[in-house]
Amino acid sequence: EAGVAQSPRYKIIEKRQSVAFWCNPISGHATLYWYQQILGQGPKLLIQFQNNGVVDDSQLPKDRFSAERLKGVDSTLKIQPAKLEDSAVYLCASSLKTGWGTQYFGPGTRLTVL
Amino acid sequence: DQQVKQNSPSLSVQEGRISILNCDYTNSMFDYFLWYKKYPAEGPTFLISISSIKDKNEDGRFTVFLNKSAKHLSLHIVPSQPGDSAVYFCAASGETSGSRLTFGEGTQLTVNP
Repeated sequence: EAGVAQSPRYKIIEKRQSVAFWCNPISGHATLYWYQQILGQGPKLLIQFQNNGVVDDSQLPKDRFSAERLKGVDSTLKIQPAKLEDSAVYLCASSLKTGWGTQYFGPGTRLTVL
Repeated sequence: DQQVKQNSPSLSVQEGRISILNCDYTNSMFDYFLWYKKYPAEGPTFLISISSIKDKNEDGRFTVFLNKSAKHLSLHIVPSQPGDSAVYFCAASGETSGSRLTFGEGTQLTVNP
């Protein structure tokens, strides 16, 4: 079974530039999550989708971050404009269902904002 | 507001000995707890979980203990192996937070041959 795929693996941008990350979850997984992991901290949930609807975006900085999950499969996370403090690893995860379903993580995208 | 806390940033043990990783939480609404393991340049991998109706769950060399009154859980690895060297994250979720996981800061475990 293929795991969660993410691209790119690494990205370096200047502050105030825009950036987008892509995630392809495990086939059949209805729930998709985006996490931000700052160095030395645990992952923090940014947004959760159930199929193509948003379930929880309470911790998403909506002035600069946006995410979509078209057709309930792939998802993109965008930052526009980026700030220095956005430097982090962005992790995508998926699970078969919400609730206590195990979340499976992708390898992440390491973003460096200069 | 750090609701899940792992107070030890690092732990070093000898191969074959027991590794004990600790985690404390403050939110009494948490009722499901998980441990994830993370190798460098990889995403976290699910290891073991426990619901609040239990106080112990075992899977091979890994055992998780939950002390609800103390709001404390621990992960025991016996015997420890060099391949266990990784960052271990404790995570918690509760009915009021849906399936949102709240993670601790992680503990870097190093198992020396």
